[in-house]
Amino acid sequence: GAGVSQSPSNKVTEKGKDVELRCDPISGHTALYWYRQSLGQGLEFLIYFQGNSAPDKSGLPSDRFSAERTGGSVSTLTIQRTQQEDSAVYLCASNFYRTSGPQAQFFGPGTRLTVL
Amino acid sequence: AQTVTQSQPEMSVQEAETVTLSCTYDTSESDYYLFWYKQPPSRQMILVIRQEAYKQQNATENRFSVNFQKAAKSFSLKISDSQLGDAAMYFCAYRSNTNTDKLIFGTGTRLQVFP
Repeated sequence: GAGVSQSPSNKVTEKGKDVELRCDPISGHTALYWYRQSLGQGLEFLIYFQGNSAPDKSGLPSDRFSAERTGGSVSTLTIQRTQQEDSAVYLCASNFYRTSGPQAQFFGPGTRLTVL
Repeated sequence: AQTVTQSQPEMSVQEAETVTLSCTYDTSESDYYLFWYKQPPSRQMILVIRQEAYKQQNATENRFSVNFQKAAKSFSLKISDSQLGDAAMYFCAYRSNTNTDKLIFGTGTRLQVFP
């Protein structure tokens, strides 16, 4: 596709359930990022992928959060045993990696997660 | 650790007028990058403008320009000839020149544009 896509656009789940959020980056983009946007915490970095490896996962808030990327393309963010404080918009972004300097990150429309 | 501060939760401007959004940041690094992103109600973050810290010249993109004051660690965004479509949340972001490439965002400024 032309841009970063994310699915689902909205997800409502019950406390304690597991959820999977999907991100399709722009074709050819080697770097992929997950961010979380919540009222209380603003925009927070979660994890960064370069290809299939994650050199920086420092933003994952707990071991209930995990992410993987396969084939250097699609990424899935999994939240296990969801809690109400996990309610937020989860944003995905991608860009090229160039040694000449960072390129702008292109963002998807986000997934709004609501934990009841 | 680096931090980004946007001290104006909300701003408003009349159509065709000019508005300036403030951003300050804290870092001990000398080489880094700064960005302004726009987030309309659709939630899609859109890059407005970027600035490399090693460049003294302020970046401009059409009606958008920045005032980058490295010594003061200030990075304000000026929007000229404001349009109704400029109404959105605006986020200032910092990117360290390290391997991680993550963005550190400010808390955002909501811009309203009145006809």
